Amino acid sequence: EVQLVESGGNFVQPGESLRLSCAASGFPFSAFNMNWVRQVPGKGLEWLSYISADSTSIHYADSVKGRFTISRDNAKNSLYLQMNSLKAEDTALYYCARDLTGLNFDYWGQGTLVTVSS
Amino acid sequence: EIVLTQSPATLSLSPGERATLSCRASESISIYLAWYQQKPGQSPRLLIYDASNRATGVPARFSGSGSGTDFTLTITSLEPEDFAVYYCQQRFNWPPCSFGQGTKLEI
Repeated sequence: EVQLVESGGNFVQPGESLRLSCAASGFPFSAFNMNWVRQVPGKGLEWLSYISADSTSIHYADSVKGRFTISRDNAKNSLYLQMNSLKAEDTALYYCARDLTGLNFDYWGQGTLVTVSS
Repeated sequence: EIVLTQSPATLSLSPGERATLSCRASESISIYLAWYQQKPGQSPRLLIYDASNRATGVPARFSGSGSGTDFTLTITSLEPEDFAVYYCQQRFNWPPCSFGQGTKLEI
């Protein structure tokens, strides 16, 4: 069974940093591209970042470019999102999602909540 | 930026009825549209990708159609577990991709 489990969400102040993790199991993690997607509770979905299976191709949404960094460790079956210079508008539930075919997301984690507030 | 507009915002139907949800793109996206279902407290679930391909394990009562700018998700004979929020998503010339604002399907 495919499982994606996010962690690392927390309450932080504007300008601070946070690192999210996503532990993958039940599939050959090193063979799949991965993504981060966020959702403000009760609102819509926003794609944030993509990383290819071998980490050679990385893409970001304009809203997080220059502030967020995606990475992965295939030996640990883990995906990461380093978030710097956090803003109030980054408050959301953050999901990791497996990539089926170029930004089609076939499996999602349960999400980890990030709250940015002074 | 490609904008997706879903209609209606809320659709009220009864179990056993047919549901038709619409998604319109601000410019042509060929067939690169997906549909997701999200129930309260759960993460989204991929239903349809590339306009008409059902994802693994999705029941046959879910079908997608359309190309260019107009797309439809049809659910024949609604089951109680189908009442949820549905999002469309485009990936034409990705990255980036974008999502619609959602349609709430309620009993």
